[in-house]
Amino acid sequence: AQKVTQAQTEISVVEKEDVTLDCVYETRDTTYYLFWYKQPPSGELVFLIRRNSFDEQNEISGRYSWNFQKSTSSFNFTITASQVVDSAVYFCALRMDSNYQLIWGAGTKLIIKP
Amino acid sequence: GAVVSQHPSWVICKSGTSVKIECRSLDFQATTMFWYRQFPKQSLMLMATSNEGSKATYEQGVEKDKFLINHASLTLSTLTVTSAHPEDSSFYICSASGGRARNEQFFGPGTRLTVL
Repeated sequence: AQKVTQAQTEISVVEKEDVTLDCVYETRDTTYYLFWYKQPPSGELVFLIRRNSFDEQNEISGRYSWNFQKSTSSFNFTITASQVVDSAVYFCALRMDSNYQLIWGAGTKLIIKP
Repeated sequence: GAVVSQHPSWVICKSGTSVKIECRSLDFQATTMFWYRQFPKQSLMLMATSNEGSKATYEQGVEKDKFLINHASLTLSTLTVTSAHPEDSSFYICSASGGRARNEQFFGPGTRLTVL
C-alpha cells in the first residue's frame, strides 16, 4: 500500500531561521512521483515541485530546496531564511505512474513569527 | 502551468437546498477531473474521479446520490451537493489532468461551502 507521512503537525520558527519539513513515503512501485504543495490561508493550493523516482538530484529554487533520498524513502523540504509569507500548510504527496491519483500526507502547518 | 477555475469561490445556503460547483480547465483539455473535500486542519480527501463522458468513480464512503458529479465536456466538471446539510459544510477543491497537462493534477482555487 502507498502512504505518505508528515510527522510534523506544526512547526513554529522565528523569521530568518532555516526550517525543514519532513516527508516519508511508502510504495513498492519503482516508478512514482513526489510533490510538495503550499496551502496559504486563502486555501488555494500552490504547486512547488514534482520529482520522479529516477531523479534523485536535489533541487534548489531560491530559498527553497528539496532533498530526495530513496534509501530512506524521504523527500524533505527546506526553507532557508524563512519569511512571514512562508507561513502556510505544506503538503507532500505521492503519485504512482499507473494513475493520476495523489496520496496526500497530513500536512505540516508552518508558522513564521516576525 | 495549466489553469483551473472554480465557481463559486464561496457559497452559503440553507439546509435542504442543492448547490452546484463548477470546475473548468481554461487552457487545456481535462480528460480526468478529481473532486476533493477538505475539513479544517485536515488533509485533502479524494471524493471521486471522473473521466470525460463516463460516470464518476466514487471513493469508499462517499455517497454518489448525495454528491452528483458530471463531466460532460473536456473543460467542465460539476459537483452538485444535493439536499445539503450543515455537516456538508467544507472546502471543496477540484483538480484536472489531461492533454498537455497529463503528467500532474492542476488545482482549482477551491469553493468554501457553508450550510446553515
